[in-house]
Amino acid sequence: QVQLVQSGAEVKKPGASVKVSCKASGYTFTSYYMHWVRQAPGQGLEWMGIINPSGGSTSYAQKFQGRVTMTRDTSTSTVYMELSSLRSEDTAVYYCAREEMTTVTIDYWGQGTLVTVSS
Amino acid sequence: QSALTQPASVSGSPGQSITISCTGTSSDVGGYNYVSWYQQHPGKAPKLMIYEVSNRPSGVSNRFSGSKSGNTASLTISGLQAEDEADYYCSSYTSSSPPRVFGGGTKLTVL
Repeated sequence: QVQLVQSGAEVKKPGASVKVSCKASGYTFTSYYMHWVRQAPGQGLEWMGIINPSGGSTSYAQKFQGRVTMTRDTSTSTVYMELSSLRSEDTAVYYCAREEMTTVTIDYWGQGTLVTVSS
Repeated sequence: QSALTQPASVSGSPGQSITISCTGTSSDVGGYNYVSWYQQHPGKAPKLMIYEVSNRPSGVSNRFSGSKSGNTASLTISGLQAEDEADYYCSSYTSSSPPRVFGGGTKLTVL
């Protein structure tokens, strides 16, 4: 069965960087795009960006341009999302989520990783 | 402010039906049949309930249905059950940037 297993919760100071991992299993890793979506406490879902695990190409939301980097390791079927210059407003649960290309649908989500930014 | 507009809350009694709307533009909801709906219980990841406007993934109850008219998509839940109480989010592909947008979410309360 499809599983997306994310790394554990992180606590970071303002100005630091965080790198969240998402290990995929149960399907062909390079055949599905991967999105990153975040959710601030009590708020809605916010799209951050997408990576094509096959070639590594990425597209980021303008809001995060220059601060976010998405990468992948095909040998371990893992995608990574690194966010730098953290501020308190970046406190959120970060999700990786798989896209089924033929239906352009985000169909499976990771369990989420809470990133807390606090001095 | 979210790109897609949803009501903040809806409520219904067990057994009743409710409908949640999701309004966008011709660049997203109105232009493509790539509208999805997600259910999210507190502390849990979103779960896909409807894709491509009206299709249900395997395992999702047929009490959930989706439709679209113009720039507005809708999710209808019939025969409300206590376990349906959750937040619901719509999402759409969009031709502009960013390529995916979400609604602000609707909190469903089962009275």
